[in-house]
Amino acid sequence: DSGVTQTPKHLITATGQRVTLRCSPRSGDLSVYWYQQSLDQGLQFLIQYYNGEERAKGNILERFSAQQFPDLHSELNLSSLELGDSALYFCASSASASSGNTIYFGEGSWLTVV
Amino acid sequence: AQSVAQPEDQVNVAEGNPLTVKCTYSVSGNPYLFWYVQYPNRGLQFLLKYITGDNLVKGSYGFEAEFNKSQTSFHLKKPSALVSDSALYFCAVREERNNFNKFYFGSGTKLNVKP
Repeated sequence: DSGVTQTPKHLITATGQRVTLRCSPRSGDLSVYWYQQSLDQGLQFLIQYYNGEERAKGNILERFSAQQFPDLHSELNLSSLELGDSALYFCASSASASSGNTIYFGEGSWLTVV
Repeated sequence: AQSVAQPEDQVNVAEGNPLTVKCTYSVSGNPYLFWYVQYPNRGLQFLLKYITGDNLVKGSYGFEAEFNKSQTSFHLKKPSALVSDSALYFCAVREERNNFNKFYFGSGTKLNVKP
């Protein structure tokens, strides 16, 4: 158990809908990362937050947004869903913005868009 | 620009034989390198990391990795493979920019260990 908690584990929704994925980082970790993993594109970095502030953006679509709250949990919002958004979404956390600290992953949220 | 390459999509090895999963990197400054393993329908699990010091790093489940600065490589190794080692393996490099971490992951290598 990495200590990173993601909910829901599985989600099935229709095209055009909106979903929210939630992540609780490891206790004490200030950085939260979101990744998307699909069969044909591997592991794609979406966005990173540190202590409530956005720090880095990757290949995140405009239909997607995220935030990190004062209690350090994070949410990834996916809207106007398309079939191609079906993927495994991972949250990860690390202890601080810098240093060689390891990034730990949650078990992921499986999103199926039908 | 930082990058990580895993040149093999798949590695096949017989149980009991040594295994190597290759990783090369490109980074400015000192490299911080990581290996992760992903079992089916699971999250990525941390195996080991190189920050500084001894070039041979030992990690979980009997895995080790050798840092080679001249070849910019960080290959994952295990002396004797187990069927249960069959999984997807990711190499990653950490970049520190403006006092925060950014991680770059390779495309992954599927390891198949056959009985």
